[in-house]
Amino acid sequence: EVQLVESGGGLEQPGGSLRLSCAASGFSFSRYEMNWVRQAPGKGLEWVSYITNGGSTIYYADSVKGRFTISRDNAKNSLYLQMNSLRAEDTAVYYCARDSLDSSVGCDYWGQGTLVTVSS
Amino acid sequence: SYELTQPPSVSVSPGQTASITCSGDKLGDKSACWYQQKPGQSPVLVIYEDTKRPSGISERFSGSNSGNTATLTISGTQAMDEADYYCQAWDSSYVFGTGTKVTVL
Repeated sequence: EVQLVESGGGLEQPGGSLRLSCAASGFSFSRYEMNWVRQAPGKGLEWVSYITNGGSTIYYADSVKGRFTISRDNAKNSLYLQMNSLRAEDTAVYYCARDSLDSSVGCDYWGQGTLVTVSS
Repeated sequence: SYELTQPPSVSVSPGQTASITCSGDKLGDKSACWYQQKPGQSPVLVIYEDTKRPSGISERFSGSNSGNTATLTISGTQAMDEADYYCQAWDSSYVFGTGTKVTVL
């Protein structure tokens, strides 16, 4: 069974840092491109970042570029998001999501999400 | 930056057909997918590559994409289909639509 389990969320002050992790199991993690997607309370989905299966290509949303860093450790079946210089508008549930191999667009599995709250 | 626009809400009677549009510049030249999200749950992929259904997704869900508009159609809508729906496409980065709340009256 495919599982994606996020962790590392919590309450952080503006300007602070958090590191999110996503533990993958039930599939060959190193074959898949991965994403972070967030959803502010009561709002829609916002794509945050993407990384290819080997980590050689990375993209970021303009809203997080220069502050967030995506990475992965295929030996540990894990995806990460280092979040620096946090702002109130970064408050959201953060999901890790697996890109489908069957399509050029689409995430076929999502984690349950981890809540990040940025507030003083 | 690329934008995908959806109607904020769609209402449908049980058993009827609901159509949700997603508009973007030359969207028909790109591949689109659709997600369903129920309250307190993670999104679920219901359509990919414009028209394909993942395994386990009801045949009541279908999709199309042409010109500037992708459309998700729910046939024979049931109460369990009440949810938020989001389209997604790639244009130098992933883009999500603004989301549509489907209400089954």
